[in-house]
Amino acid sequence: EIVLTQSPGTLSLSPGERATFSCRASQSISSTSLAWYQQKPGQAPRLLIYAAFSRATGVPDRFSGGGSGTDFTLTISSLEPEDFAVYYCQQYGSAPGVFFGGGTKVEVK
Amino acid sequence: EVQLVESGGGLVKPGGSLRLSCAASGFTLSSYSVNWVRQAPGKGLEWVSSISSTSTYIYYADSVKGRFTISRDNAQGSVFLQMNSLRAEDTAVYYCARGREWFALSCFDSWGKGTLVTVSS
Repeated sequence: EIVLTQSPGTLSLSPGERATFSCRASQSISSTSLAWYQQKPGQAPRLLIYAAFSRATGVPDRFSGGGSGTDFTLTISSLEPEDFAVYYCQQYGSAPGVFFGGGTKVEVK
Repeated sequence: EVQLVESGGGLVKPGGSLRLSCAASGFTLSSYSVNWVRQAPGKGLEWVSSISSTSTYIYYADSVKGRFTISRDNAQGSVFLQMNSLRAEDTAVYYCARGREWFALSCFDSWGKGTLVTVSS
């Protein structure tokens, strides 16, 4: 089983600032098997990034994904008010299953 | 527009059973895998189960293996999660999520709003 560790648990930032989220895997995973989701309070998650780098349909280009091996990142180049939420990374694509990281919350500083 | 609508949640006693349904519309269900993901109150996301487009491949999280069964009826446009031997730790919002590909274990590109399952005496 792959364990995904996200850090930090909470990011305190202001609108307009750059946000960087980290996702570290307990073993090397394929770049084609890493996704990022955004979840706002009371809402279902939303796919942002898949295959480590590819933006999902309708996702603004201020969101970008990167990394390889065991270390992956999600970057928001300039935070908009609607970006304050919780972000999860996910490993998928092979048995035994799908795994999520614990999430990082970005809050208004 | 892709829509996934979950139903069947509610309050059930420990040891009881529930059957969740996910009604899909706005796309050809038989071309996509479908998944169940749950979120306990105030906690993170936990994958529960995945089923490929034609039910050939099915996977479960260890936490539900042997108790939960996923199935689908493409003609009816629905996916189901039969949950037996429910425990307090199964209490969560259960989301239905469409896989981005036909095969199970792909990432999830559309989600329903979820249905709450509460296991309590």
